[in-house]
Amino acid sequence: DQQVKQNSPSLSVQEGRISILNCDYTNSMFDYFLWYKKYPAEGPTFLISISSIKDKNEDGRFTVFLNKSAKHLSLHIVPSQPGDSAVYFCAAPNSGYALNFGKGTSLLVTP
Amino acid sequence: DAGVIQSPRHEVTEMGQEVTLRCKPISGHNSLFWYRQTMMRGLELLIYFNNNVPIDDSGMPEDRFSAKMPNASFSTLKIQPSEPRDSAVYFCASSPPGTGGEKLFFGSGTQLSVL
Repeated sequence: DQQVKQNSPSLSVQEGRISILNCDYTNSMFDYFLWYKKYPAEGPTFLISISSIKDKNEDGRFTVFLNKSAKHLSLHIVPSQPGDSAVYFCAAPNSGYALNFGKGTSLLVTP
Repeated sequence: DAGVIQSPRHEVTEMGQEVTLRCKPISGHNSLFWYRQTMMRGLELLIYFNNNVPIDDSGMPEDRFSAKMPNASFSTLKIQPSEPRDSAVYFCASSPPGTGGEKLFFGSGTQLSVL
């Protein structure tokens, strides 16, 4: 009963192009959403977040869009760089500060 | 800042053996989380502590799993007896007081293989 779902296990994009990673959720009560990035042999690190009262948040090359009616959010990376190759996790807070994570999407940016 | 420190980085053991994973959170952080990552289930929360007290252990898969936090600077996750299906990467994370998920800091994980 995953409340946060990432249905694409992997994505391959050419350097310089846009990467779009998608996430769906089931709980309309989530206050905010987050994206974490994970490199091999390292723990996940926080990337960007968005409050449920907003529909867009931008930080440099990274933008997260929230569509509450569709219970969908997406992470856009423009332009994509080889160093962006990593696993990206979508997350939302459960009770208290515990996070629900999706299964992750592995992004490969090719030169 | 040393970050969240987990040990060991890798653990290989035989089915039936006891396994203990260790975590030192970032100094000053008062929440500690244990997560497990598998291909099938992704990152799943096992247990979290606030001010050394277990708040939610509903993610602990079975009685074979137990976790303790005897003080603010140390936590253990124990599996006894271990089984091959416990093979996964186990992450410890901590967060400072009064913050949301964006302040969740993860360790590098323990790769557990149960043969």
